[in-house]
Amino acid sequence: ETGVTQTPRHLVMGMTNKKSLKCEQHLGHNAMYWYKQSAKKPLELMFVYSLEERVENNSVPSRFSPECPNSSHLFLHLHTLQPEDSALYLCASSQDQGPTAQFFGPGTRLTVL
Amino acid sequence: QKEVEQDPGPLSVPEGAIVSLNCTYSNSAFQYFMWYRQYSRKGPELLMYTYSSGNKEDGRFTAQVDKSSKYISLFIRDSQPSDSATYLCACDRGSTLGRLYFGRGTQLTVWP
Repeated sequence: ETGVTQTPRHLVMGMTNKKSLKCEQHLGHNAMYWYKQSAKKPLELMFVYSLEERVENNSVPSRFSPECPNSSHLFLHLHTLQPEDSALYLCASSQDQGPTAQFFGPGTRLTVL
Repeated sequence: QKEVEQDPGPLSVPEGAIVSLNCTYSNSAFQYFMWYRQYSRKGPELLMYTYSSGNKEDGRFTAQVDKSSKYISLFIRDSQPSDSATYLCACDRGSTLGRLYFGRGTQLTVWP
């Protein structure tokens, strides 16, 4: 595997389900990010992790819960989501938190029924 | 006012045309400017990365930054059908948080 991988690629869940999104980066980076991408809207930064510590939580509802067990893996735990949470969830990584380019995974297309 | 404004298009051009994609931004603290390309059902991929004002060229692609007018551009020469994608501009203040501010993206179609 190379770059940033995400699983699953597609997820359909009910509002009462609990599911998790997984991200893995194979680039040796030390910062990881979760973004939400909705139609016709800019990418929304959700969480930033640097060296496995959360450094930013961008006013995200508590029904989204991130976890970063090490610098290569990032999870997004989902529970009691709403239909408006349906979107493409993108994971990214970068070498440092600073002004370096971020590299994105292919995303998980989430549909909440 | 949004931090980064980008016309979502869609933009449709014939093969071989010169394409101009543009963004404006409001925060004068932005120092780093990026263009990402996103194909359908894929994540964004970094296309160009520039610091401060000036031009940067990479093959058929040229990124231009004018900090005095807070205007960033991406030019694609000799456009190809394979360039059909959504192009996202992004700006960074250069802080330690790695916080990118994205435009909405412009959907480009290059028809043969």
